[in-house]
Amino acid sequence: DTGVSQDPRHKITKRGQNVTFRCDPISEHNRLYWYRQTLGQGPEFLTYFQNEAQLEKSRLLSDRFSAERPKGSFSTLEIQRTEQGDSAMYLCASSPDSYNEQFFGPGTRLTVL
Amino acid sequence: KNEVEQSPQNLTAQEGEFITINCSYSVGISALHWLQQHPGGGIVSLFMLSSGKKKHGRLIATINIQEKHSSLHITASHPRDSAVYICAARTSGSRLTFGEGTQLTVNP
Repeated sequence: DTGVSQDPRHKITKRGQNVTFRCDPISEHNRLYWYRQTLGQGPEFLTYFQNEAQLEKSRLLSDRFSAERPKGSFSTLEIQRTEQGDSAMYLCASSPDSYNEQFFGPGTRLTVL
Repeated sequence: KNEVEQSPQNLTAQEGEFITINCSYSVGISALHWLQQHPGGGIVSLFMLSSGKKKHGRLIATINIQEKHSSLHITASHPRDSAVYICAARTSGSRLTFGEGTQLTVNP
């Protein structure tokens, strides 16, 4: 399967713990995006990368959130000191450039107890 | 007021009916996306358009840039079309701003 993959698909954690999610984009896609979706709502933009450079961050991305794409391929999204309000589906998408459609991964569903 | 608004929020139809989902946006865009999301979360891109009209099978998407409005039409709807349909505006920096989605249920 050459689509966007995300790992893990589900994560249950206790409040205060740190979690890290991984996204593997479609090979040679320069752009990688992270979105968050809460139940019953549309996704919300978090951040995106052009190769290894993080070009934009939403104000939704508090100090507890950090994202990296060290070699311009896979990306990680870390949430420190998780809160119950962080419970959501975290979606990753990639695209060849800024002009083309974005291809979405299956998402990582985070539940913070 | 959200930058991207969809209507209706929920839509129930009988198999075979013609369906229209509307999307209005208040921001400047470089393109408008229509996406489909099935239970479990997977999102599939249906259309990306910046002008006019596109057709793929039974799906048609139109956009009116002057009126900042787009529509997604489904002809001869089928129960397998049941899903959440989301419009998303591509704004500066290529980020997507999403509507809240339209839950479509097509009954046999």
